[in-house]
Amino acid sequence: AQSVTQLDSQVPVFEEAPVELRCNYSSSVSVYLFWYVQYPNQGLQLLLKYLSGSTLVKGINGFEAEFNKSQTSFHLRKPSVHISDTAEYFCAVSDLKGNFNKFYFGSGTKLNVKP
Amino acid sequence: DADVTQTPRNRITKTGKRIMLECSQTKGHDRMYWYRQDPGLGLRLIYYSFDVKDINKGEISDGYSVSRQAQAKFSLSLESAIPNQTALYFCATSDFVGQPQHFGDGTRLSIL
Repeated sequence: AQSVTQLDSQVPVFEEAPVELRCNYSSSVSVYLFWYVQYPNQGLQLLLKYLSGSTLVKGINGFEAEFNKSQTSFHLRKPSVHISDTAEYFCAVSDLKGNFNKFYFGSGTKLNVKP
Repeated sequence: DADVTQTPRNRITKTGKRIMLECSQTKGHDRMYWYRQDPGLGLRLIYYSFDVKDINKGEISDGYSVSRQAQAKFSLSLESAIPNQTALYFCATSDFVGQPQHFGDGTRLSIL
């Protein structure tokens, strides 16, 4: 089974500053990678995904992530954050188990954007 | 209307009660999942299903059971609820391998 590590449980940052949320996973063999965002009292929404191809992936709301196979990392970045980006962010990995999509989630990083 | 609908959104109940959480989807996806979310632990998989004849245990299935009544409906039951099952529960769906999951808005369950 995969394991997904999000080392930072909370990240405080000032508005308009850049931010990086870190994600590492346990195996680089045939995986798909995702970042989700969760706003209060809501379910998880997809920010971006890496399936194959270019290692730099762009998502919604100005976020991007870079797949690094040698370091088994998939860090999320945004060059300038807004108050509205305050939320919890989850990294997820899906591996190819037969015909099924099985997902493994990190423990989440709470991004707190301060004015 | 939401693509993945969970009912109820909130539930408070007592230890020992039987509880059912329901999930329905209009996305036409075959794969459905139940997770629980606890602070600092992320999402943990309880059960997942490929179709009405395929039910699989996840990493924390003890104390839970599921029923896939149709392609679009997947319900989670707690036969005899206990306080450490207090959590936020999510239903999710996905399409073929490699595609992301789509989540409902969750059910906040409190067991006293």
